[in-house]
Amino acid sequence: DVKVTQSSRYLVKRTGEKVFLECVQDMDHENMFWYRQDPGLGLRLIYFSYDVKMKEKGDIPEGYSVSREKKERFSLILESASTNQTSMYLCASSFLDGTNTGELFFGEGSRLTVL
Amino acid sequence: GNSVTQMEGPVTLSEEAFLTINCTYTATGYPSLFWYVQYPGEGLQLLLKATKADDKGSNKGFEATYRKETTSFHLEKGSVQVSDSAVYFCALSRTITGDYKLSFGAGTTVTVRA
Repeated sequence: DVKVTQSSRYLVKRTGEKVFLECVQDMDHENMFWYRQDPGLGLRLIYFSYDVKMKEKGDIPEGYSVSREKKERFSLILESASTNQTSMYLCASSFLDGTNTGELFFGEGSRLTVL
Repeated sequence: GNSVTQMEGPVTLSEEAFLTINCTYTATGYPSLFWYVQYPGEGLQLLLKATKADDKGSNKGFEATYRKETTSFHLEKGSVQVSDSAVYFCALSRTITGDYKLSFGAGTTVTVRA
């Protein structure tokens, strides 16, 4: 069974803290994504990676960075958490298959609260 | 840029009722269109897709037809069940070659009562 695993389902952090969200996939996918999900706004793309050590900014990269040192792992980093980063964070992965099938495989999400 | 607009929820239905969730899109070129579903406590999963005009995607009793003339991809199910209670997202692919990023709508929460 395909699996995208996010390390923490629920986190509570304080303003200014550095936060790491980890995501691991076991499907040998080339592409990995970080989205945030907010009510009324749907999913917005933060960062995207199509290969190890490669990354591209999405629509809302400000305040975030990412790391992809291994193919199966994609980390989202909040250098200095702020209250407006309280959200549900979703990791996803997909094949780079040249047909743009669009099927993303999602983790269960990490709900971050910044106090 | 490419974007989708879907009907706002929440939508509450009785079992066996007919469900429609409207989705319209704005895009340059010829995007692929998708419906994803998020069941309570789970991640999103692909429900169905269509890759060109007039294609019909179908899965689990749900259907959606890619209508280029009305730029729409409405989701329908003829007889819903309690297990269909979920959040439904319309999405489209961006059209830059090799770009597999999706743009998602705001999501529609559907609750089906027994």
